[in-house]
Amino acid sequence: AQSVTQLDSHVSVSEGTPVLLRCNYSSSYSPSLFWYVQHPNKGLQLLLKYTSAATLVKGINGFEAEFKKSETSFHLTKPSAHMSDAAEYFCVVRVGGTYKYIFGTGTRLKVLA
Amino acid sequence: DTGVSQNPRHKITKRGQNVTFRCDPISEHNRLYWYRQTLGQGPEFLTYFQNEAQLEKSRLLSDRFSAERPKGSFSTLEIQRTEQGDSAMYLCASRPGRTPQETQYFGPGTRLLVL
Repeated sequence: AQSVTQLDSHVSVSEGTPVLLRCNYSSSYSPSLFWYVQHPNKGLQLLLKYTSAATLVKGINGFEAEFKKSETSFHLTKPSAHMSDAAEYFCVVRVGGTYKYIFGTGTRLKVLA
Repeated sequence: DTGVSQNPRHKITKRGQNVTFRCDPISEHNRLYWYRQTLGQGPEFLTYFQNEAQLEKSRLLSDRFSAERPKGSFSTLEIQRTEQGDSAMYLCASRPGRTPQETQYFGPGTRLLVL
């Protein structure tokens, strides 16, 4: 069965410091992996998608994620946090051969001034 | 703004009542998804439509839950005989067919409270 595990429910960083949000996946197939962001009172928005064309994926707002098959990880990073990055982030996997998407439990990112 | 819209935004009902939610996807998006999100959790997939055809349905969608997309445009999600455990945010998302990024565009959700 395919699944994703977000290792931290809350992450706090200072503005201007790097961000690391961790996600491990479980998949029998070559997975389709995504990161979505949910700002307060706003709809979920796609940050990036792993397509197997490249292990390092660049997304919007300076975020990127690296697919590591040996570690079954797809961690999300950003070199320098901005106050506007404060939100809930979800790692997502599409179940192979289906139209079903499985979301992780989310990581709430807090950015301190 | 022609994003995904959902109505109502909030619904309070008593246990045992039926409720219906509506989702209007972005125009010309032929794919539509319903999710349920409870507090502190990520969205849980409920069902998927491609045009008017319901192609995928979660086990979470019990006999009390039903969804329709009669003309391949808007969709409705009905919950019959609501239970307190149905209290959640119900999210709708749409996307155009065959896009590499598979970007789903989410609506603001309908928050349901069952008393």
